[in-house]
Amino acid sequence: DSGVTQTPKHLITATGQRVTLRCSPRSGDLSVYWYQQSLDQGLQFLIQYYNGEERAKGNILERFSAQQFPDLHSELNLSSLELGDSALYFCASSQPGSNQPQHFGDGTRLSIL
Amino acid sequence: GNSVTQMEGPVTLSEEAFLTINCTYTATGYPSLFWYVQYPGEGLQLLLKATKADDKGSNKGFEATYRKETTSFHLEKGSVQVSDSAVYFCARNTDKLIFGTGTRLQVFP
Repeated sequence: DSGVTQTPKHLITATGQRVTLRCSPRSGDLSVYWYQQSLDQGLQFLIQYYNGEERAKGNILERFSAQQFPDLHSELNLSSLELGDSALYFCASSQPGSNQPQHFGDGTRLSIL
Repeated sequence: GNSVTQMEGPVTLSEEAFLTINCTYTATGYPSLFWYVQYPGEGLQLLLKATKADDKGSNKGFEATYRKETTSFHLEKGSVQVSDSAVYFCARNTDKLIFGTGTRLQVFP
C-alpha cells in the first residue's frame, strides 16, 4: 500500500462529458503529480502541484485542469471528453527534493464510449 | 535534452535466468535515478533508487548501479521468478521525473 488513494477506480462515460478524478496523497507529502498512461503514449506527466500551487506542467491538454486543496488532496478535471482520452490516470505524491521518490496510487481507469 | 531510454520488450525468460534491463539517461546536472515496477492491474511501485554516482540501489534481489561515466542505470537480477513478471520503468529526476517507455518482463516456469 503506497498510501496514495485514488477514486474512483473505474469510470465509464461518453464523449463530450466531464469527469473529476480525486487523489489523496500520502500523509505529509506536499507534492501531487498527475500522469496519463495509455497504450500508445506510455506514461505521460500531466501536472504537478506543491502545497496548493501549480509547480510544473507537462503534456496536459487545455480541456484538462487540476487543483490542489488546502487539505492537500487534488482533483483532475477532464472535460469535453474524446475517445482518445481513454486511459489510466495515476496520481503520485512525494516529499520535496529531487532525490525523493514518487509514490503512486492504483489509478483510475477511464473508458470513453 | 533530458530523457530516459530503455531497452524494448518484451523480455522473455525462464525461471531462475539472469535478468538485465538496460537503461540510459541524458540530463544536465546529477539526477537521481529510479526503477519502478508495475504489476498487472496495479500502479507503479518504487523498486529501488540511487541518488549519486556509483551508488547501488537494491531491493527484492534486484540491483542497479548509477554509472555516471556511461550514463546508465541497468537493472539486474540473478535469478528471476514467475512473480517478477511485470513492466519495469526506469526514471530520472532533476526538476521533474522523466520515465522511460517501460520494459515488459515475462517469466515462464
